[in-house]
Amino acid sequence: SQKIEQNSEALNIQEGKTATLTCNYTNYSPAYLQWYRQDPGRGPVFLLLIRENEKEKRKERLKVTFDTTLKQSLFHITASQPADSATYLCALYTGTASKLTFGTGTRLQVTL
Amino acid sequence: GAGVSQTPSNKVTEKGKYVELRCDPISGHTALYWYRQSLGQGPEFLIYFQGTGAADDSGLPNDRFFAVRPEGSVSTLKIQRTERGDSAVYLCASSGGDTYNEQFFGPGTRLTVL
Repeated sequence: SQKIEQNSEALNIQEGKTATLTCNYTNYSPAYLQWYRQDPGRGPVFLLLIRENEKEKRKERLKVTFDTTLKQSLFHITASQPADSATYLCALYTGTASKLTFGTGTRLQVTL
Repeated sequence: GAGVSQTPSNKVTEKGKYVELRCDPISGHTALYWYRQSLGQGPEFLIYFQGTGAADDSGLPNDRFFAVRPEGSVSTLKIQRTERGDSAVYLCASSGGDTYNEQFFGPGTRLTVL
């Protein structure tokens, strides 16, 4: 069956460290992968999109990698801050361009 | 407004009742999506509109769920004969015309079926 897996356990890290979140997928061949941030009681907010022919994408303190052989994307936040605390969702365009399928999300908690 | 808006923000109803949830997308966005999110889960795709037509409704769970977008802007998600299992946050998103674009989400409507 098709699955998108993100670590369901919360990730707790200290301010200033690099947070690394993992997204693994099975039985998909996505051309595009996106990462979103979601705060409690709010809708998801788009962060980054990476294409299958791109190995890495950066935006300010964020970095995303996409390994289509391993079927995995890694999401890094460098120099993390308490304001980065949120749930981070990976999402794939699966099948048609219309259908964005989300993982369950990983909650990140950055402490002082 | 500048972003996607959804009304109401909260809706409590009784089992068996009919509800309508409204989404007002970003002006000019031709694509509109509805998702459902349960606690601890990611958003689950329900339906996608391109303009006025439902281009993909494969995520609607059954025929109690229906959505319209008559003028290619505001959309309404309609749920008939609500069941307790329909309780969730219903999210709406819109995007510009290009395929695979980022989606802009509204704050959601929290539906509780008693």
